[in-house]
Amino acid sequence: GESVGLHLPTLSVQEGDNSIINCAYSNSASDYFIWYKQESGKGPQFIIDIRSNMDKRQGQRVTVLLNKTVKHLSLQIAATQPGDSAVYFCAEAPAGNNRKLIWGLGTSLAVNP
Amino acid sequence: DGGITQSPKYLFRKEGQNVTLSCEQNLNHDAMYWYRQDPGQGLRLIYYSQIVNDFQKGDIAEGYSVSREKKESFPLTVTSAQKNPTAFYLCASRGNINSPLHFGNGTRLTVT
Repeated sequence: GESVGLHLPTLSVQEGDNSIINCAYSNSASDYFIWYKQESGKGPQFIIDIRSNMDKRQGQRVTVLLNKTVKHLSLQIAATQPGDSAVYFCAEAPAGNNRKLIWGLGTSLAVNP
Repeated sequence: DGGITQSPKYLFRKEGQNVTLSCEQNLNHDAMYWYRQDPGQGLRLIYYSQIVNDFQKGDIAEGYSVSREKKESFPLTVTSAQKNPTAFYLCASRGNINSPLHFGNGTRLTVT
């Protein structure tokens, strides 16, 4: 595939504000979607997932929204904290093919105190 | 406390040498995966195994080899045939295909 270079999209927010991280997915056969958080030097950590029979799912301080019409996924983080600073990845899982995940390139979230 | 352990955290090798990265899980997961991550890029699948004694190539398998002799272990060998081996390597597992992946904390390999 084509390299998109070394610069991740970056979202900068003030501590206490809400954050919204967006992701466009590509495969119409995808029916399972996952958000991961990756801190520097660590492996990705599961945050929340959603299946295609839902359009919204809430966790602790996080909400995932799924819009199948436009193939769009978003992660909302309420009352963003400095500990939320990380790179956030979305992944889609097409039905079949052993559900091999298709990964987004990531969004870097910077929380300003 | 269940999880995935990757070792070592940092690994340095000379060009032309093979090197093996360790991945052990105690989650009793059948499926295990190896990904490669380069700066500013998403994760690329190297190899995966859905059951003991079986594994399949991922999207970038050239220059890598794996084995799956035990459920708990899925070591990755980076061979001298891999043209650009310097990267961050991530191991993951999952209990079934409808569950999220659980990741280890990675091994950063530097080849000079």
